[in-house]
Amino acid sequence: DVKVTQSSRYLVKRTGEKVFLECVQDMDHENMFWYRQDPGLGLRLIYFSYDVKMKEKGDIPEGYSVSREKKERFSLILESASTNQTSMYLCASSWTEQNYGYTFGSGTRLTVV
Amino acid sequence: AQSVTQPDIHITVSEGASLELRCNYSYGATPYLFWYVQSPGQGLQLLLKYFSGDTLVQGIKGFEAEFKRSQSSFNLRKPSVHWSDAAEYFCAVGGATGFQKLVFGTGTRLLVSP
Repeated sequence: DVKVTQSSRYLVKRTGEKVFLECVQDMDHENMFWYRQDPGLGLRLIYFSYDVKMKEKGDIPEGYSVSREKKERFSLILESASTNQTSMYLCASSWTEQNYGYTFGSGTRLTVV
Repeated sequence: AQSVTQPDIHITVSEGASLELRCNYSYGATPYLFWYVQSPGQGLQLLLKYFSGDTLVQGIKGFEAEFKRSQSSFNLRKPSVHWSDAAEYFCAVGGATGFQKLVFGTGTRLLVSP
């Protein structure tokens, strides 16, 4: 079964810490995405990547960065975590050539205290 | 601009009753349409998708959706709801290739009463 794996289901970090959220997919997908999900706001795109070492800003990139050194791995970095970054973070991946939709990971619930 | 509207934030349905979740989209080209389900604390799972052809598409867990181009709608239906269907449902629209990012609606939370 194809999978998108997020390294942590729950994380608690302190304000000001540097936080890494890791996502790995085993489907050889070209595209990878990071979303955050908050009640009443739906899914908001933070960053996405269409290829290795390539990244593009989504709708809410402020306070975040990403890294894609290998095709299967897409990391989200919170340079200095703040309480307003407490959220559910979802990683997804997809094909480029044909749109079959996204495959999502199980999510990481991040709490910044 | 591309957009997806799910007009119902919450819906409560009795177990065994039928369900229809509404989705309206705005898209400038041929739309590729999707429904996803999210159980509490989980990621999104694809229920079904529409690309072309028959406007009534079948998905997993007994769900179906009907594409109506004239109404720009892609409503999700299930004839008999089970308690395990309680979840949040997201409609999304995109283009023919993965370069055209999916646009998601804000979701509809389904509550199932005994």
